[in-house]
Amino acid sequence: KAGVTQTPRYLIKTRGQQVTLSCSPISGHRSVSWYQQTPGQGLQFLFEYFSETQRNKGNFPGRFSGRQFSNSRSEMNVSTLELGDSALYLCASSLGDTIYFGEGSWLTVV
Amino acid sequence: GQQVMQIPQYQHVQEGEDFTTYCNSSTTLSNIQWYKQRPGGHPVFLIQLVKSGEVKKQKRLTFQFGEAKKNSSLHITATQTTDVGTYFCAGEAGYALNFGKGTSLLVTP
Repeated sequence: KAGVTQTPRYLIKTRGQQVTLSCSPISGHRSVSWYQQTPGQGLQFLFEYFSETQRNKGNFPGRFSGRQFSNSRSEMNVSTLELGDSALYLCASSLGDTIYFGEGSWLTVV
Repeated sequence: GQQVMQIPQYQHVQEGEDFTTYCNSSTTLSNIQWYKQRPGGHPVFLIQLVKSGEVKKQKRLTFQFGEAKKNSSLHITATQTTDVGTYFCAGEAGYALNFGKGTSLLVTP
């Protein structure tokens, strides 16, 4: 059974650009959540989706957005990138109590 | 809002020594989860504790949930080099996980 798949794995963007990250959850998992991981702030919750509905959103500016499709795949978008957005962006899917993380997308903003 | 604090931030042990990381929440938790992240890797779910005073074991790992459901600990007996990584606790709050900053464990042979 395939795990959580995130694409792209690595990317470099310049300030002011926008980026879209994709996440394919484990088959059958309908809950998808996103986290930002940085050395300074650790793992911080971005948002969670279930059946195409955002159920919770973390304390991030409106430049960070997401969506979930009918097949449970999810995307997150960051507009007007800032240097501080450089981070590992992790997607996680769950069915019940166990949460499975993808390998993440490493974003570098220069 | 809920804050989850974890100590120590770093721990360096000799192989065979024990290791403990502690997690404290500012609010009562419905449950607490523990994750391990190897260097360069992603967090991997270890366990979830739900009941007050619960103790669970996974081989050399022992997890405890406090009676007040505001603190938890992870104890590793006789560490091995394969235990290297960062251990995170996380409290659940409204479909989100609030993670502690983690304890990075370094084990030298």
